[in-house]
Amino acid sequence: QQQVKQSPQSLIVQKGGISIINCAYENTAFDYFPWYQQFPGKGPALLIAIRPDVSEKKEGRFTISFNKSAKQFSLHIMDSQPGDSATYFCAATGFQKLVFGTGTRLLVSP
Amino acid sequence: ETGVTQSPTHLIKTRGQQVTLRCSSQSGHNTVSWYQQALGQGPQFIFQYYREEENGRGNFPPRFSGLQFPNYSSELNVNALELDDSALYLCASSLETAYNEQFFGPGTRLTVL
Repeated sequence: QQQVKQSPQSLIVQKGGISIINCAYENTAFDYFPWYQQFPGKGPALLIAIRPDVSEKKEGRFTISFNKSAKQFSLHIMDSQPGDSATYFCAATGFQKLVFGTGTRLLVSP
Repeated sequence: ETGVTQSPTHLIKTRGQQVTLRCSSQSGHNTVSWYQQALGQGPQFIFQYYREEENGRGNFPPRFSGLQFPNYSSELNVNALELDDSALYLCASSLETAYNEQFFGPGTRLTVL
């Protein structure tokens, strides 16, 4: 119940396309949903985050869509660029800890 | 503003040995959390230290222990190393116990042979 399920495991998108990564959770005690971006050899970096009382949040090319009733949330990367190639993790805050999804490896082809 | 730093970058140990990993928190942050990231997996929460006390722990055995010092830097100690302990160990700092705004260091890559 403390898990966050993430899909797909890997994703290839052409430059300029839209990348979509989906996550689902079970426990309604989660109260904050961040997305992290991780490049090889680096630690995760906070990309964008949302609270469950908001259905959408946009920051530049990155948008989180949140469906509280379905307990699902997703990351959309518009106009994907080769520099966006990285591993993306959704996460959820609750139970005094940050729970991560299993990650999505995104490759944006030139 | 200084970011989160970790040392060493890489470490190789043999099974049964003990290891100590170090973390310096971002300037102004008083809370440090440790995570284990196995290859191809998401980070798993080990524990958090706030004002030198453990403040939350994940599903890790007691051979994983930690310390936080008055300057808010922290150590992760792992005793009786097992092969499955091979992973990237990440430290994250935050202000107070704000799990929602954690800043991660680059990690220490531990290999247990």
